[in-house]
Amino acid sequence: AQSVSQHNHHVILSEAASLELGCNYSYGGTVNLFWYVQYPGQHLQLLLKYFSGDPLVKGIKGFEAEFIKSKFSFNLRKPSVQWSDTAEYFCAVKENGQFYFGTGTSLTVIP
Amino acid sequence: EAEVAQSPRYKITEKSQAVAFWCDPISGHATLYWYRQILGQGPELLVQFQDESVVDDSQLPKDRFSAERLKGVDSTLKIQPAELGDSAMYLCASSHRLARELFFGEGSRLTVL
Repeated sequence: AQSVSQHNHHVILSEAASLELGCNYSYGGTVNLFWYVQYPGQHLQLLLKYFSGDPLVKGIKGFEAEFIKSKFSFNLRKPSVQWSDTAEYFCAVKENGQFYFGTGTSLTVIP
Repeated sequence: EAEVAQSPRYKITEKSQAVAFWCDPISGHATLYWYRQILGQGPELLVQFQDESVVDDSQLPKDRFSAERLKGVDSTLKIQPAELGDSAMYLCASSHRLARELFFGEGSRLTVL
């Protein structure tokens, strides 16, 4: 089974700062990759996904992620965060029909 | 936008009592998942259904947990008896047979006293 690592547990940024959240999975193979976001009091929502093709994936709200196969990584980025990006972010890997989630990164954006 | 419905949103119970959670997936979604999320951790799969059949329940503590999806639509997750360590958020998710992402409900937060 895959193991998904999110290196940053808590991140605090000021508005307009750039964001990069790390995500690594344990081994190669045919995988689908996801970032989910959970805003305070809301359900988990899909931020972006990668299945194949261009390894740079653009999602909603200005987020993007880059799949680096050689590093088993799928890092999430945003050039300029907003207060409304305060949320919990989860990386997920799908393999053979199973989804494996990281432990999440709590992002706090200070106005 | 269609949503995955879950109830109750919050449940407080004493240990050794029985609890049940209900999930209604997005219409037409054949695959239904129950996840448990402990505070500070990511969701962990408890059981996966394809229509009314269990696809994976390898992580379901079957001595106390049970899940069913009798008509292949809505689903119930039961815990009997509840233990202190069961305190967590129980998430239901669904996906279309041909889709490759999960759609989550708002979850049911269980507190066992």
